[in-house]
Amino acid sequence: GDSVTQMEGPVTLSEEAFLTINCTYTATGYPSLFWYVQYPGEGLQLLLKATKADDKGSNKGFEATYRKETTSFHLEKGSVQVSDSAVYFCAKGGGTSYGKLTFGQGTILTVHP
Amino acid sequence: GAVVSQHPSWVICKSGTSVKIECRSLDFQATTMFWYRQFPKQSLMLMATSNEGSKATYEQGVEKDKFLINHASLTLSTLTVTSAHPEDSSFYICSASGMREGYTGELFFGEGSRLTVL
Repeated sequence: GDSVTQMEGPVTLSEEAFLTINCTYTATGYPSLFWYVQYPGEGLQLLLKATKADDKGSNKGFEATYRKETTSFHLEKGSVQVSDSAVYFCAKGGGTSYGKLTFGQGTILTVHP
Repeated sequence: GAVVSQHPSWVICKSGTSVKIECRSLDFQATTMFWYRQFPKQSLMLMATSNEGSKATYEQGVEKDKFLINHASLTLSTLTVTSAHPEDSSFYICSASGMREGYTGELFFGEGSRLTVL
């Protein structure tokens, strides 16, 4: 069935380091793709999204490009901050239930000063 | 952006009691709401999908008599954990989707409710 696979964490970086969190998916058709972020003790917030191939979603310095040929949606940030420490979830939309998302397992990011 | 609010954010109860968690969409009509459960350092587990005015659809392995879901209006869904036990302690998160201008399939999440059963 359809699935979303994220790189396993946890990921630990120093401040200002480059971040990549890999995400690949399997699906029929061309689903919308999302990255959500969860800060400690909070619910999920939409970080960015892309709705069609070659779209680039961006927000708060984070970027991800919808790659149809590699079925990927990797999250990147050029210079991370301590405040970026959180859990990041990749997700895909579509399917038979409108609004029902399939989530990856989440990647814990810790950024040290 | 759309706002989804959950209440309470923290709840502690005694074993055997029931607890109700509310999920409200504040600025759009949520035709569908989803309830998730999240264990420490783990991903979200979808518990059930509820459509306004109809019975919820539960995921495999989720006890519908244990986790009662009601979605009586387009802005409110409730999850009631009946006869709670310590193993029900968890972080419960709701999310909502609905038709609104610019909607592209994303979900809007509540802040989550942490349940601790003593």
